[in-house]
Amino acid sequence: LAKTTQPISMDSYEGQEVNITCSHNNIATNDYITWYQQFPSQGPRFIIQGYKTKVTNEVASLFIPADRKSSTLSLPRVSLSDTAVYYCLVGDSYNTDKLIFGTGTRLQVFP
Amino acid sequence: EAGVTQFPSHSVIEKGQTVTLRCDPISGHDNLYWYRRVMGKEIKFLLHFVKESKQDESGMPNNRFLAERTGGTYSTLKVQPAELEDSGVYFCASSQEWRGRARGGFGYTFGSGTRLTVV
Repeated sequence: LAKTTQPISMDSYEGQEVNITCSHNNIATNDYITWYQQFPSQGPRFIIQGYKTKVTNEVASLFIPADRKSSTLSLPRVSLSDTAVYYCLVGDSYNTDKLIFGTGTRLQVFP
Repeated sequence: EAGVTQFPSHSVIEKGQTVTLRCDPISGHDNLYWYRRVMGKEIKFLLHFVKESKQDESGMPNNRFLAERTGGTYSTLKVQPAELEDSGVYFCASSQEWRGRARGGFGYTFGSGTRLTVV
């Protein structure tokens, strides 16, 4: 799976929009981009996945430029409960079942 | 639906002892995975079951680790004998989709993990 690079940590305040960018320069044609969220003492939780352009669900939006070498997870109006570690993963589930986790981005939301 | 259940949630054992971790996947999920994060490191893949068969066990660190999934339902991961470096959090995940069935199908459901401490 392609290696990803994310900021180690980010701080935000309640009500703000948070954008976490992930670099994946070696992404392959068939790779998808998947984001997981992990709260303390819990396992990672799938939040969003996309291939290109923009994907939106009830939790977040995922923006992927045309070259797909990066992606941005956008969390609108964060709350204290969004404090977590966010992982960006890139891979093609057609050819592999493994998730390769990087260090993730530790988001801290302050009141 | 019930999520992925793991127990115990915590386990403290002495070096040289044996520990067995259990994972109950979501009902109907044929795919079951084990991952772990040892202190200060990233979450790493251990192995993957499809039903009762080991599809990929390339991440198993050594022969002190034995995973089973008899009957294709719950799975156990036994560490025998445990060493200090085995301390960490062991996660189990399950999914319904498998390679070839859906591109981009990385929507796994993880359990809350078992925190293993070897002293």
